[in-house]
Amino acid sequence: AQSVTQLGSHVSVSEGALVLLRCNYSSSVPPYLFWYVQYPNQGLQLLLKYTSAATLVKGINGFEAEFKKSETSFHLTKPSAHMSDAAEYFCAVSEDFNKFYFGSGTKLNVKP
Amino acid sequence: DAGVIQSPRHEVTEMGQEVTLRCKPISGHDYLFWYRQTMMRGLELLIYFNNNVPIDDSGMPEDRFSAKMPNASFSTLKIQPSEPRDSAVYFCASSSRGSGGVYTGELFFGEGSRLTVL
Repeated sequence: AQSVTQLGSHVSVSEGALVLLRCNYSSSVPPYLFWYVQYPNQGLQLLLKYTSAATLVKGINGFEAEFKKSETSFHLTKPSAHMSDAAEYFCAVSEDFNKFYFGSGTKLNVKP
Repeated sequence: DAGVIQSPRHEVTEMGQEVTLRCKPISGHDYLFWYRQTMMRGLELLIYFNNNVPIDDSGMPEDRFSAKMPNASFSTLKIQPSEPRDSAVYFCASSSRGSGGVYTGELFFGEGSRLTVL
């Protein structure tokens, strides 16, 4: 069975500060892992994905995530937050690109 | 290139009424997914199609829900009769193989249909 746990439903950082959004997964086989971003009143957009190549994955808008098998984690980071990063972020896992299981989401607030 | 198109964007209806949500996937995409998003349950997969054929509908909450994909460019999600607990944002997403013929795993989401059942 696959599942995703996102720690912290709300995260608040100051502009310019480090962003760290946590994601832990459960999967019986090597997983594919994804981060999506949702802006208000919009659908989800892919930020980045891990598909068994390099464990450090770089995505759009300066975000990156590291796959750590020993910790079953795929945390999302960005060195310096920008006001435009304020959105809700979803971690997702899939074993076969057919069924995707999403976490409950983390709302990122960026303070000026 | 047009993205996934959903209609209506907003729907307000009364309990007991039939609701039909529509989705046009990206041209050439052969997978189509219907998700429901609520505060309480987050994003839930309802059903997905491959080449217009329903593959897994285990997420469809009850017999009041049905989905069809009569052709590669159109899908509907119908709720009959609707109930207040069906109030949610319903997303359609599509995906396809990349240029190398391998699925990229990227889902392309529409902007969603916000349903309110009074």
